[in-house]
Amino acid sequence: EVKLEESGGGLVQPGGSMKLSCVASGFTFSNYWMNWVRQSPEKGLEWVAEIRLKSNNYATHYAESVKGRFTISRDDSKSSVYLQMNNLRAEDTGIYYCTRITTVVAMDYWGQGTSVTVSS
Amino acid sequence: DIQMTQSPASLSASVGETVTITCRASENIYSYLAWYQQKQGKSPQLLVYNAKTLAEGVPSRFSGSGSGTQFSLKINSLQPEDFGSYYCQHHYGTPYTFGGGTKLEIK
Repeated sequence: EVKLEESGGGLVQPGGSMKLSCVASGFTFSNYWMNWVRQSPEKGLEWVAEIRLKSNNYATHYAESVKGRFTISRDDSKSSVYLQMNNLRAEDTGIYYCTRITTVVAMDYWGQGTSVTVSS
Repeated sequence: DIQMTQSPASLSASVGETVTITCRASENIYSYLAWYQQKQGKSPQLLVYNAKTLAEGVPSRFSGSGSGTQFSLKINSLQPEDFGSYYCQHHYGTPYTFGGGTKLEIK
């Protein structure tokens, strides 16, 4: 059974940092691109970042709204993907989901999400 | 960025009815269109990918159609478990974008 489990969310002050983790199981993690997607009442579902495979030199892509502040990374030996978030803003508040993606099948598995609140 | 416009934003229907949700892309995305269902307090779940291919385990009362810029999701004979929110999303390369969602409620 495919499982994605996020952790690391919580409350952080504006300008602060936070690192989210997602542990995968039930599939060969190193064969899949991985993404982070967030959801808030104000913006709905918003794609945040993607990391590709070792064979793609772990290429990364980011939404304009987070470029330069967020960094996605992966550790295939731990079947994990991470999201380092710096200089956080109130508008980064939301539930962050880890998703598996293929170009053909889209985001076929989602984690349960971890909540991030940016507030003073 | 490709904009995804979904309609209606909300929909009220009864068990047994047939409903259709539409999604329009701001440019040609060929068939790289997915539909997701989300229930309250849960994460989205893939229903349809490549515009018309049902994801594993999705009942046949769901069907997707369209290509290019115009797409639709049809649900035949609504069941109680079908109520929730539905989102379209293009998977024609980054940045992936989602529609604003359709909230399907029980009449």
